[in-house]
Amino acid sequence: DAGVTQSPTHLIKTRGQHVTLRCSPISGHKSVSWYQQVLGQGPQFIFQYYEKEERGRGNFPDRFSARQFPNYSSELNVNALLLGDSALYLCASSLVGEQFFGPGTRLTVL
Amino acid sequence: GDSVTQMEGPVTLSEEAFLTINCTYTATGYPSLFWYVQYPGEGLQLLLKATKADDKGSNKGFEATYRKETTSFHLEKGSVQVSDSAVYFCAHRTYGATNKLIFGTGTLLAVQP
Repeated sequence: DAGVTQSPTHLIKTRGQHVTLRCSPISGHKSVSWYQQVLGQGPQFIFQYYEKEERGRGNFPDRFSARQFPNYSSELNVNALLLGDSALYLCASSLVGEQFFGPGTRLTVL
Repeated sequence: GDSVTQMEGPVTLSEEAFLTINCTYTATGYPSLFWYVQYPGEGLQLLLKATKADDKGSNKGFEATYRKETTSFHLEKGSVQVSDSAVYFCAHRTYGATNKLIFGTGTLLAVQP
């Protein structure tokens, strides 16, 4: 069975640029959540989407946005990148309750 | 606010030693509690969970008991292996409009042969 997939695996950007990260949930899962994991820290909640609607947002600036598509896949967009946005971005999908994580996208901002 | 506090690492043990990683939480309501493991270069894997007070979660020799009176969920294993070397995260989830997880900062475990 295919798990949560994320693309790209790694990404290098420069300050001020924009980035789009993608996530495909486990088949049948309707909820997708995004987390940011800065090196040496635990993941921090960014967004949750369910049935294409935003259900929750963490304490992140408006430069961060996301959406969910009819097939339940999701994109995370970050504008005007800062050095501090360098992190591992994790996507998790769920049906009811338990969240299953993807391998993450490693974003480096130079 | 809601939070998770876990012991700082790194924790360095010899193979077959006993492991304890402490975790305490603050939460509104009655959260579900989790331990996740992250191997180098990988995402998070659910190790075990407990959904109500006095529940014991267990998997692969690891155990943790949901202690409501001490708001704790300490991870234990009787005999660690080199392959257990990873970062361990304690987390909780409080049901509501948002089904989000709140994580601790993680504890690096290094097991030496």
